[in-house]
Amino acid sequence: SSELTQDPALSVALGQTVRVTCQGDSLRTYYASWYQQKPGQAPVLVMYAKNNRPPGIPDRFSGSSSGNTASLTITGAQAEDEADYYCYSRDIRGDRWVFGGGTKLTVL
Amino acid sequence: QVHLVQSGAEVKKPGASVKVSCKASGYTFTSHYMHWVRQAPGQGLEWMGLINPNGVRTIYAQKFQGRVTMTRDTSTNTDYMELSSLRSEDTAVYYCARDISEADKSWWLDPWGQGTLVTVSS
Repeated sequence: SSELTQDPALSVALGQTVRVTCQGDSLRTYYASWYQQKPGQAPVLVMYAKNNRPPGIPDRFSGSSSGNTASLTITGAQAEDEADYYCYSRDIRGDRWVFGGGTKLTVL
Repeated sequence: QVHLVQSGAEVKKPGASVKVSCKASGYTFTSHYMHWVRQAPGQGLEWMGLINPNGVRTIYAQKFQGRVTMTRDTSTNTDYMELSSLRSEDTAVYYCARDISEADKSWWLDPWGQGTLVTVSS
């Protein structure tokens, strides 16, 4: 079982705002990074070090962290944002890294 | 431009081994760790382990201890992941991904290889 917990599924209306969350004890110490994965494709980094977007990631994606929860917010969701989203961080128990279980985002 | 190119799909019988390669380009290979991640059909991402920049240290997820070996060839900028004693549950897409970290507080994987499908079937 994953030590990072995500909602299995979320939906958002086109143009609205959605927050994808990730909970885990390690997030009190370490930042999460976030990955977007579309069907049949490799994951793509969309957020790292709390609130940093790689080049090419739209600015409607933002990140935050508080306590044991990291969040990825999409402000003004677009149809192309429909995908699976995974958080990732180092495990608090030492030399291992973990992914959240993933959130399937549907844009209505 | 940073690229990771993985070897092609494999079909293996139960009990066999598979070795997946990941060739890096566009950056200083010996400055970054490499992680391996797998994804079973319809499932989430699963961290398997990593190899350090000079290839002398590995860390494996407990689940794969004793069955996985990660190696690095710095002369060809290529990493390898070998998984032995394959069973049907090992059918998955296997990814390599370059590690970047900051201040021992944040880690991220970028880019990822295109993935290698390993099918275990009798």
